[in-house]
Amino acid sequence: SQKIEQNSEALNIQEGKTATLTCNYTNYSPAYLQWYRQDPGRGPVFLLLIRENEKEKRKERLKVTFDTTLKQSLFHITASQPADSATYLCALDKGDSSYKLIFGSGTRLLVRP
Amino acid sequence: DGGITQSPKYLFRKEGQNVTLSCEQNLNHDAMYWYRQDPGQGLRLIYYSQIVNDFQKGDIAEGYSVSREKKESFPLTVTSAQKNPTAFYLCASSLRTLSNEQFFGPGTRLTVL
Repeated sequence: SQKIEQNSEALNIQEGKTATLTCNYTNYSPAYLQWYRQDPGRGPVFLLLIRENEKEKRKERLKVTFDTTLKQSLFHITASQPADSATYLCALDKGDSSYKLIFGSGTRLLVRP
Repeated sequence: DGGITQSPKYLFRKEGQNVTLSCEQNLNHDAMYWYRQDPGQGLRLIYYSQIVNDFQKGDIAEGYSVSREKKESFPLTVTSAQKNPTAFYLCASSLRTLSNEQFFGPGTRLTVL
């Protein structure tokens, strides 16, 4: 069956450290993968997109990697801050032309001051 | 300001009643989506529309209906046939491009009493 998995346990780290979140998928062949941030009671906000032919993408303190062999994406936040505390969702396309995204259930990140 | 709006933010409904959730966007996006989010779970696609006057069922369409008479508007009706309607409902829109970054509204929390 097709699945997209993120660690359901919250990630708790100290301010200033690097947070690394994982997104694994099975039985999909996505053309791209996206990461979103969601704060409690609010809609998700787009952060980064990485295409299947890209290994790594960076935006300020954020870095995303995409390994189509391992079927995995890693999302890193360097020099983390308490304001980075939120739930982070990964999403991938189904590899068709439907413009639909499949979302993971998200990982909650808590950054302690 | 360009954006996507949903109303109301909170909605209470008695069992057996139909209720309509509003979603409006002024981003000139062709595609629009409705998702349902339950606690601790990812976003599940209810319906989506890639163009005016056309829409397709998502993964959990039973008990829901939509219309797309205008490019800017994509209302969702939760009917009495939906067995467990209490949830957080999110509307999103996107350009019909390969990258397909989605812009989300603030959400409507529906509670059935």
